[in-house]
Amino acid sequence: AAGVIQSPRHLIKEKRETATLKCYPIPRHDTVYWYQQGPGQDPQFLISFYEKMQSDKGSIPDRFSAQQFSDYHSELNMSSLELGDSALYFCASSLGDRDNSPLHFGNGTRLTVT
Amino acid sequence: GENVEQHPSTLSVQEGDSAVIKCTYSDSASNYFPWYKQELGKGPQLIIDIRSNVGEKKDQRIAVTLNKTAKHFSLHITETQPEDSAVYFCAARNQFYFGTGTSLTVIP
Repeated sequence: AAGVIQSPRHLIKEKRETATLKCYPIPRHDTVYWYQQGPGQDPQFLISFYEKMQSDKGSIPDRFSAQQFSDYHSELNMSSLELGDSALYFCASSLGDRDNSPLHFGNGTRLTVT
Repeated sequence: GENVEQHPSTLSVQEGDSAVIKCTYSDSASNYFPWYKQELGKGPQLIIDIRSNVGEKKDQRIAVTLNKTAKHFSLHITETQPEDSAVYFCAARNQFYFGTGTSLTVIP
């Protein structure tokens, strides 16, 4: 079965640079979520999109933005990168309300800011 | 906001023994409670979930119990195997909030 695809798998950036992470949800899934996971920590919800519209917003910094495109793929744009942005970034997708549906996670993008 | 507490943070068991991980939550509006397993280098994967109208659910060696009155739910793994070694997360309140994770090690 098709899974959530994230690219790139690894990304190294310097401070103050920008980064773009991409997510391709499972076909026919209507909702995309972004999570940030620091070393040894639980996933922190950043933002989600339902049918290409932002649906919920979590602890996403103002330096980050995201969008979902007409083909349902999503991109997380990160600007003015800081050392503390180094983390694993997961995208997940679901079909239906997150209050009743499991999330299907990709294998993440590991971002390292130097 | 929601507070999801997960215990223990680390758990070591002998192969064949049972493992129990517990989560408590504060938002009484939560009504969907999934458990995810995360292996090294991979994203979390759902292993079992339960909805608020059910008290227990079982899938082979894995079970989840829910006590809505006490606001806690638990993951039970029986006959543990080395491949069960991973980090386990619970989630609540629309999956905005995850527990802090339990690192399970099954010793052969």
